[in-house]
This record gives sequence, C-alpha cells and structure tokens, in this order.
Amino acid sequence: NAGVTQTPKFQVLKTGQSMTLQCAQDMNHEYMSWYRQDPGMGLRLIHYSVGAGITDQGEVPNGYNVSRSTTEDFPLRLLSAAPSQTSVYFCASSPPLRAGGRETQYFGPGTRLLVL
Amino acid sequence: SQQGEEDPQALSIQEGENATMNCSYKTSINNLQWYRQNSGRGLVHLILIRSNEREKHSGRLRVTLDTSKKSSSLLITASRAADTASYFCATASTGLGGFKTIFGAGTRLFVKA
Repeated sequence: NAGVTQTPKFQVLKTGQSMTLQCAQDMNHEYMSWYRQDPGMGLRLIHYSVGAGITDQGEVPNGYNVSRSTTEDFPLRLLSAAPSQTSVYFCASSPPLRAGGRETQYFGPGTRLLVL
Repeated sequence: SQQGEEDPQALSIQEGENATMNCSYKTSINNLQWYRQNSGRGLVHLILIRSNEREKHSGRLRVTLDTSKKSSSLLITASRAADTASYFCATASTGLGGFKTIFGAGTRLFVKA
C-alpha cells in the first residue's frame, strides 16, 4: 500500500489564486482529515470527512473547501489564496471507527504552501 | 483554541536520560494519542490510551492518563539521539459521529549524544 499520498509537495501561489491540494489513501479508510501546521501552533484541523459524501468543519475552516466523492480521495481547495494561508498542510486518514472514538491516524508527507 | 497543550515546549537532555512530556486538555475525551514528528516529515502514531485506561506501555514509551485532571504524560526511557523530534498529544472526542481529533502545539525534544 502507498498509504496516504499528497500532491504537490511544494507550491507557491500569488494572493487571490486558487488551487487544490490533493490527498489520496489506498487503505479503504472511512475517516479523512486536513490539518495545517504553523510554527509553534501544532496541527489545527481544517475539515474532516467520515465517509464519501459527508464532510464537516474543524477548527479553522474559513477559506477552504472540501468534498469527498470517493472513499480514496479528499481534496482541499483554496478558493482565493491569502498570505495567512502560508503553511504546511497535512492530510490524514483513519480506519473505521471502533468503540472508544477515533483510532490511529495515518499522515501524508505534507504540502508546503507559500502564498505571496 | 487548541484542545491539548504540551509542556514543556522544548526539552533538551543527554542520551540515556528519561524524557517526560505533559499534555493538558479542556473537554471530555474518548481517547488520547501521542504522535512523533521528525523535522519536515509527517506525524507518526506512537501510542493511544483510552479514557477508561490509566497507564499504557509500548517499548520504551509509557503513557499515563488522569481524566480527573484532564492531563496525560509521555515518558521516554533511556532516550537515544534518534528520539530527537517533536511530540504531539491529540485528543479524540465526540464530534460528528465521534470523529474530531485535536492536536496540541507539541514538545520539541532534543537528545544530545
């Protein structure tokens, strides 16, 4: 299995541009999520999905859209990039829920985004 | 605001010493997890402790959970230079179907050879 893959690895955008960060997993995981990591801030949850067709907002959803049309893919869209969105973005997935809540998350390698 | 807060923010020790990191959180949880992140890489899951557990071991790792104090600690025994990384706690609590996991800001551990 390839695990969780993310593309691109690096991206530079100008303010106002739009783009989609891709995330895919081949482990048949129901749960997928997007985080951003800023220096000294740890990871903050942007959006997450509990299955195809179901998404919900996390801590910092503004400026980002997601969709989940398949189990494998969970793209993150920046509609109009702003310098405040400069960050490292991580996608993660988890196997089906068992009693006791969210289990182990498997992380992708990250996408470094710079918005000028 | 973030659910988990790690303490200390940074820790520097000699190889062979033990490293202890603490995590405090604000709301009730289903489980708490610890992750490790090497510089520039994604996070790797280390250990999970459920809300009805008090202590868990995995190799050189020992995790405790005190739900009355809303706190957890991660102990790495006999540390090695290769343990140098950032360590994050993450709390999983009921959200949409019980699927919201929130991370703390992390503890940077530096183990000197």
